[in-house]
Amino acid sequence: AQSVAQPEDQVNVAEGNPLTVKCTYSVSGNPYLFWYVQYPNRGLQFLLKYITGDNLVKGSYGFEAEFNKSQTSFHLKKPSALVSDSALYFCAVRVSTGGGNKLTFGTGTQLKVEL
Amino acid sequence: NAGVTQTPKFRVLKTGQSMTLLCAQDMNHEYMYWYRQDPGMGLRLIHYSVGEGTTAKGEVPDGYNVSRLKKQNFLLGLESAAPSQTSVYFCASQRGAFYEQYFGPGTRLTVT
Repeated sequence: AQSVAQPEDQVNVAEGNPLTVKCTYSVSGNPYLFWYVQYPNRGLQFLLKYITGDNLVKGSYGFEAEFNKSQTSFHLKKPSALVSDSALYFCAVRVSTGGGNKLTFGTGTQLKVEL
Repeated sequence: NAGVTQTPKFRVLKTGQSMTLLCAQDMNHEYMYWYRQDPGMGLRLIHYSVGEGTTAKGEVPDGYNVSRLKKQNFLLGLESAAPSQTSVYFCASQRGAFYEQYFGPGTRLTVT
């Protein structure tokens, strides 16, 4: 069975500092990995994905993530955080085989960016 | 394009009542999904559909039924609501295997 772990319930960072939101995964096939962001009382919005190819993936709003197969990780990063980045972030994984394109989500990490 | 829309946005039910949540998408996506979101548990898949007329069970299907009679619509039904079904429900649609899912704004359901 596939699973995703987000080890930090909350990450606090000062505006202008780099941020990292951690994600590790466990799958039995090739993983497809996604990051989503959720603002209060809203649905999830897609940030970026890794399917294949370059391990460094760039996405929306200046976010990027690095796929590390040996460490089974897909950490989300941004060089300079903004207060407006404060939100709930979800990592998700889908295996490359099997039907339904089902995603398994992590439990989410609350990012708080302070002035 | 409206994207993914959900009706209603809020609902309060009494234990034992029934209701149907409607999800509609105007992107001609093949795949559609129903999730529930509970604090500290992330999103859990209830049911999904890989095309018009097809449905399948997800991770937490008990107490829910679904139908996809039209490609653009995916209905989630609760036949006899229970307090454990108090949650925020999200619908999502997806174009195909390598694409991201698009989410609706959610339905906040309270069962008393």
